[in-house]
Amino acid sequence: EIVLTQSPDFQSGTPKEKVTITCRASQNIGSSLHWYQQKPNQSPKLLIKYASQSISGVPSRFSGSGSGTEFTLTINSLEAEDAATYYCQQCNSVPFTFGPGTKVDIK
Amino acid sequence: QVQLVESGGGVVQPGRSLRLSCAASGFTFSNYGINWVRQAPGKGLEWVAVVSYDGRHKYYADSVKGRFTISRDNSKTTLHLQMNGLRPEDTALYYCARDSGPYSSGWVGADFWGQGTLVTVSS
Repeated sequence: EIVLTQSPDFQSGTPKEKVTITCRASQNIGSSLHWYQQKPNQSPKLLIKYASQSISGVPSRFSGSGSGTEFTLTINSLEAEDAATYYCQQCNSVPFTFGPGTKVDIK
Repeated sequence: QVQLVESGGGVVQPGRSLRLSCAASGFTFSNYGINWVRQAPGKGLEWVAVVSYDGRHKYYADSVKGRFTISRDNSKTTLHLQMNGLRPEDTALYYCARDSGPYSSGWVGADFWGQGTLVTVSS
């Protein structure tokens, strides 16, 4: 089973600040990494797929990068509505594991 | 619009069974793989299972393999999760989630999610 770790566990940012979340895989997964956002009491929302592919309807301030074992989700110019927990998920091999999540708070 | 509506959750004793359903609408159900993902109270997401668009391929998390069975009825645009031998650690909100692209089996991420159905395993 591929294990994903995320850092940091928690991040607090101010509006317009740039936020970076890292996801590391226990083995090479190529670009088979997706990012989700989950706001309190809501279902998850797909933000980025295959490490860097944007999703229709997702604000352009969200971007992804990386390959192999290290991946990054960047939120450029943080907004109040971005307060949420962010998860990465690998879909390189079954089981399709999720990372533990990074909670982003707005100061 | 795409809709996924889960049902069948409830309180069940350890060792008993429960069958979850996910009713889909607003898209060509038979073209998409569908996943079950769960979230224990206050915890993160855990992928549970996926069935391919045609029902031929099914994959499971190690934690549920041999106890849970995923199935689909394309004629009724419905997904099921048969859960046997339930354990307290299976307590969670169970989501069904559609693959983000057609003709896949979970590889492409999930772009539409239901609101979830809560399963509580307790004596």
